[in-house]
Amino acid sequence: DAGVTQSPTHLIKTRGQHVTLRCSPISGHKSVSWYQQVLGQGPQFIFQYYEKEERGRGNFPDRFSARQFPNYSSELNVNALLLGDSALYLCASSGQVDEQYFGPGTRLTVT
Amino acid sequence: QQQVKQSPQSLIVQKGGISIINCAYENTAFDYFPWYQQFPGKGPALLIAIRPDVSEKKEGRFTISFNKSAKQFSLHIMDSQPGDSATYFCAASGGSSNTGKLIFGQGTTLQVKP
Repeated sequence: DAGVTQSPTHLIKTRGQHVTLRCSPISGHKSVSWYQQVLGQGPQFIFQYYEKEERGRGNFPDRFSARQFPNYSSELNVNALLLGDSALYLCASSGQVDEQYFGPGTRLTVT
Repeated sequence: QQQVKQSPQSLIVQKGGISIINCAYENTAFDYFPWYQQFPGKGPALLIAIRPDVSEKKEGRFTISFNKSAKQFSLHIMDSQPGDSATYFCAASGGSSNTGKLIFGQGTTLQVKP
């Protein structure tokens, strides 16, 4: 079975631009969570979606938004990019609320 | 109260030795404690997880020990191998304000010397 997939793998953007990251969960999983991992630190929770509804939001500014589609895939959008948004963005899928399986991540570099 | 504190920051172990990584938490509402392994450039991989109703869980060479009264849990890697060299993260979740939200420790970089 395919694991969690994320696209693109790498992305370079300029300050002030907008970015959209995509995630497809494991088949049968209805929940997707997004995390930001800055180099040398543990992942930080951004959002969780279950059955297309937002179930949780971390301490991130309103520039960050997300949505989940009827096929349970998800998008993370970040507006007005800042240098500090450079990080590995991770998507995790879960069938049950607690067990989360991560994808390979999208490496975002903001210049 | 939402923090998970992990130690040590880095660890060097000889091949065949035991690697031990410790985590401590404050929020007594946490009820799920997973460990993740992450290789450079990859996403974290779920290794093993425990709930507070048991004090120990073993899967292959990996064991979680859980001390509810001390609010601490640890990962033991038996017979450590060079292929175990990676960064390990503990995490915790649970409670009405943390539905689905994993709170991670800062990570431990493990190096297993041949």
